[in-house]
Amino acid sequence: EPEVTQTPSHQVTQMGQEVILRCVPISNHLYFYWYRQILGQKVEFLVSFYNNEISEKSEIFDDQFSVERPDGSNFTLKIRSTKLEDSAMYFCASRTGGGNTIYFGEGSWLTVV
Amino acid sequence: AQSVAQPEDQVNVAEGNPLTVKCTYSVSGNPYLFWYVQYPNRGLQFLLKYITGDNLVKGSYGFEAEFNKSQTSFHLKKPSALVSDSALYFCAVRDDGNTGKLIFGQGTTLQVKP
Repeated sequence: EPEVTQTPSHQVTQMGQEVILRCVPISNHLYFYWYRQILGQKVEFLVSFYNNEISEKSEIFDDQFSVERPDGSNFTLKIRSTKLEDSAMYFCASRTGGGNTIYFGEGSWLTVV
Repeated sequence: AQSVAQPEDQVNVAEGNPLTVKCTYSVSGNPYLFWYVQYPNRGLQFLLKYITGDNLVKGSYGFEAEFNKSQTSFHLKKPSALVSDSALYFCAVRDDGNTGKLIFGQGTTLQVKP
């Protein structure tokens, strides 16, 4: 069964460093998302991406965040200068153009020290 | 704005007993409702959804959910709980914008004791 894959599964980074989280969405999907989950808290929407551009972003998704689909298969989330409060699980997700179900990856744990 | 609420932080049930994890929603228009499960240190797995049609929706691992429009609820149920069902369960509603993003409840931890 096709699935969303994410790398790395876990990354530890120093405050102020840049981080890139990578995702390979399901191949025929057209809508892509990033969500995050701070430990023990709810899953929060960050950004949606469609037709090679951001279609919606939350207030969490400030200038320190960016997304890119560089090659038609990967979908990346970059955090330019990480802060302690960026420590969270980051989920990539995708869905088809006409579908309602969003499928999530296993997540990337980011720990900022 | 669309929202869902899960009133219980934790639900405890004995193995073999029926389980219910509660979710209520607030939407404008017709709701598209979902349940996801998160096992420890894992991603979110889709369980089931209600879009239209029968109010009782069946999903993965023997779970089902009942859509109740008058009570604005979408409770997750299973007739006989397993210890392996112990996990974090999220109710979600599709946002009414055109991105189709999901808005999640705060999650309910289900603990099934042997």
